[in-house]
Amino acid sequence: AQSVTQLGSHVSVSEGALVLLRCNYSSSVPPYLFWYVQYPNQGLQLLLKYTTGATLVKGINGFEAEFKKSETSFHLTKPSAHMSDAAEYFCAVRHFTGGGNKLTFGTGTQLKVEL
Amino acid sequence: DAGVTQSPTHLIKTRGQHVTLRCSPISGHKSVSWYQQVLGQGPQFIFQYYEKEERGRGNFPDRFSARQFPNYSSELNVNALLLGDSALYLCASSLEVAGGRETQYFGPGTRLLVL
Repeated sequence: AQSVTQLGSHVSVSEGALVLLRCNYSSSVPPYLFWYVQYPNQGLQLLLKYTTGATLVKGINGFEAEFKKSETSFHLTKPSAHMSDAAEYFCAVRHFTGGGNKLTFGTGTQLKVEL
Repeated sequence: DAGVTQSPTHLIKTRGQHVTLRCSPISGHKSVSWYQQVLGQGPQFIFQYYEKEERGRGNFPDRFSARQFPNYSSELNVNALLLGDSALYLCASSLEVAGGRETQYFGPGTRLLVL
């Protein structure tokens, strides 16, 4: 079974500082990995995804993530935080079984950006 | 282009009642998935439908059911509501079910409160 662990339910950074949100996955086969962002009272917006190929994936709003198979990690980073980045971030794994398109999500990390 | 739309946006019901939530996918998308997001947690997979057929089901009781119509819109039905069914219900659409690389695009959700 696939699972995702997000370390740190709350992360606080100063504006302009590095953002690092951690995600570790468990999968017996190569996973497809996703990061979504959720702003208050809204649905989920895709930030970036890894399926195959280059392990460093660039997404929207200056975010990027690196797939590290040896560490079973897919951490999300952004060099310089902006106030508008304050939101909840979810890491998700999709395991291809030949059918279905189920995402398994982590419990989320609430990002706070302070002046 | 219109994204995934869901109705209603908010809903208040009492225990034991029945509820129907509706979702319209992005034009051209044939797959619809439903997720339940309880406050403070990540979304949990409920159902996936593709071409009007159920392709996946999460660990939810039989009180939960869904269907997909010829125009690919979908309904989620929940019978005999319990207090624990209070949550944000998210609908996601994607192009096709095969492969697993397809991005799921989420709607804004329906917030259900059961009293």
